[in-house]
Amino acid sequence: TQLLEQSPQFLSIQEGENLTVYCNSSSVFSSLQWYRQEPGEGPVLLVTVVTGGEVKKLKRLTFQFGDARKDSSLHITAAQPGDTGLYLCAGAAGGSYIPTFGRGTSLIVHP
Amino acid sequence: NAGVTQTPKFQVLKTGQSMTLQCAQDMNHNSMYWYRQDPGMGLRLIYYSASEGTTDKGEVPNGYNVSRLNKREFSLRLESAAPSQTSVYFCASKEAREYEQYFGPGTRLTVT
Repeated sequence: TQLLEQSPQFLSIQEGENLTVYCNSSSVFSSLQWYRQEPGEGPVLLVTVVTGGEVKKLKRLTFQFGDARKDSSLHITAAQPGDTGLYLCAGAAGGSYIPTFGRGTSLIVHP
Repeated sequence: NAGVTQTPKFQVLKTGQSMTLQCAQDMNHNSMYWYRQDPGMGLRLIYYSASEGTTDKGEVPNGYNVSRLNKREFSLRLESAAPSQTSVYFCASKEAREYEQYFGPGTRLTVT
């Protein structure tokens, strides 16, 4: 059973476009993390969101945690080729500290 | 400060061979994890060690064993490799009661 559903699975866009990727669940999470993984490397943490309704910004990336703490979104403004990679969300539910990962959104930004 | 290191980076095995993947972290983290990553499947937890001296099964433990050698090191052993174990293996560590994980660069394993 996949606790975290990510969409879309693949995204191919041109430089300068905006995009949003989603991470959804029927479970309530204590927190959600977003990671970016570049080809041939391990995932690298981008952000943690903890409070329902929280919005965090990291340069051109905006992360939002749903009010009910069941979902999250990542919005990229004016995407650049350097944003290319696999975006993974992860969360721990039910008081656990062991995170579950979504299957990821693979993003390609063409110059 | 190297973070999480993994060896080897690449490995090719024949069916039935055994090998051990090594992982070490220098962040003094209590918890360590082994994941496998297959196309379209995300990261699936194989085994984890919440603290030194303890290990527990994750989502996909069959065919694997682990050893938490000390606080820094956590190894993953394949006793009799099978083609289904062809994958990229990642080790991660974190503080026990935190959520953010720190990953190694991965080991790319092919079993023929």
